[in-house]
Amino acid sequence: GAVVSQHPSRVICKSGTSVKIECRSLDFQATTMFWYRQFPKQSLMLMATSNEGSKATYEQGVEKDKFLINHASLTLSTLTVTSAHPEDSSFYICSARQGGMNTEAFFGQGTRLTVV
Amino acid sequence: KQEVTQIPAALSVPEGENLVLNCSFTDSAIYNLQWFRQDPGKGLTSLLLIQSSQREQTSGRLNASLDKSSGRSTLYIAASQPGDSATYLCAVHNTGKLIFGQGTTLQVKP
Repeated sequence: GAVVSQHPSRVICKSGTSVKIECRSLDFQATTMFWYRQFPKQSLMLMATSNEGSKATYEQGVEKDKFLINHASLTLSTLTVTSAHPEDSSFYICSARQGGMNTEAFFGQGTRLTVV
Repeated sequence: KQEVTQIPAALSVPEGENLVLNCSFTDSAIYNLQWFRQDPGKGLTSLLLIQSSQREQTSGRLNASLDKSSGRSTLYIAASQPGDSATYLCAVHNTGKLIFGQGTTLQVKP
């Protein structure tokens, strides 16, 4: 299957700082990428849908100014957690599809963010 | 609003046993359904994708079925192995989004 690479896999940052997470589709172009958050022993919660060349669509309850998403090219989307706080500590996972809505979704390896 | 439920939440079986994981969804207007595997602290690995027009898909020891009208899917794992131990998630593609179930954590004991 297609490969989605996420970086970094782990990051520890201090409260108040910002952290950027990258998501790349390595062998295909992805017009749409998705960002999820996963709490311990829980399922994935969709945060936002990232569209190449346009603004991201955020799910209800997700703060746009805290979680900045940029989809500058067909192979790269970034999630920046701004002014991070300990409650932002979580597992963040990105996903991309090779084609339209009926195609398979592929996921990155995830990023474990710890804010101290 | 689409809701996806997986039963059981956890399952422990001896090695070699065949097992079935269940997934149900409330809105049958789906594009497709996808089964994933997640190992602790890792991302998701896609196992099987079933289009809404299909009834089943097979890959090796895995077989997934889909009954869209009743809102159900099953993942059958044959001859389970300790390496199959992981959390299995089903997700439905609905209005451009993937909606996930809570997952079934499987432990296969040697």
